[in-house]
Amino acid sequence: TQLLEQSPQFLSIQEGENLTVYCNSSSVFSSLQWYRQEPGEGPVLLVTVVTGGEVKKLKRLTFQFGDARKDSSLHITAAQPGDTGLYLCAGGSYNTDKLIFGTGTRLQVFP
Amino acid sequence: GAVVSQHPSWVICKSGTSVKIECRSLDFQATTMFWYRQFPKQSLMLMATSNEGSKATYEQGVEKDKFLINHASLTLSTLTVTSAHPEDSSFYICSARDRDGLNYGYTFGSGTRLTVV
Repeated sequence: TQLLEQSPQFLSIQEGENLTVYCNSSSVFSSLQWYRQEPGEGPVLLVTVVTGGEVKKLKRLTFQFGDARKDSSLHITAAQPGDTGLYLCAGGSYNTDKLIFGTGTRLQVFP
Repeated sequence: GAVVSQHPSWVICKSGTSVKIECRSLDFQATTMFWYRQFPKQSLMLMATSNEGSKATYEQGVEKDKFLINHASLTLSTLTVTSAHPEDSSFYICSARDRDGLNYGYTFGSGTRLTVV
């Protein structure tokens, strides 16, 4: 069974601080996606990384896929209250269409 | 971009009744759709993979007779929670994959909150 562990589980910070969320597994994934989910809504895709070592930037968010394609990180610079939400990583399988979600990181950014 | 519509967004039903949730891909064809369950403050747990024209593939521990999945067309999959009980109360989310879309094309519905009383 493929498992994706995210850390930290919870994060509560002040506006303007930087933070990093980690997504780790012992399995190799074909792709790694990051989502943000607001309460009562479905997850919204932030980014997809597919190449080992790949780095993608989306404004204040920087995503990295590990060289071995087993882990990923999300770094947010100068967090804002609008960044508050549940951040989920999800790994794609080589053999199936399944997308397996990580355990989630709940971020709260206070003004 | 790809849009997945899920209906209803919330439903309250009596214990013992059945509830059907629909998941539609609005502007693309989805040969495969996925159903997830999410408990409060937790991540999404994959329940089953819904394949158009064939039986769904259920994840280990998911009762196929409790959660009936039908994928009769390339744009519609349904999840029926049969003989619902309070422990079935949860947030159910579907997703569909647009193989021709960008970013590996997983699009999620907005979810259905089921409350069984």
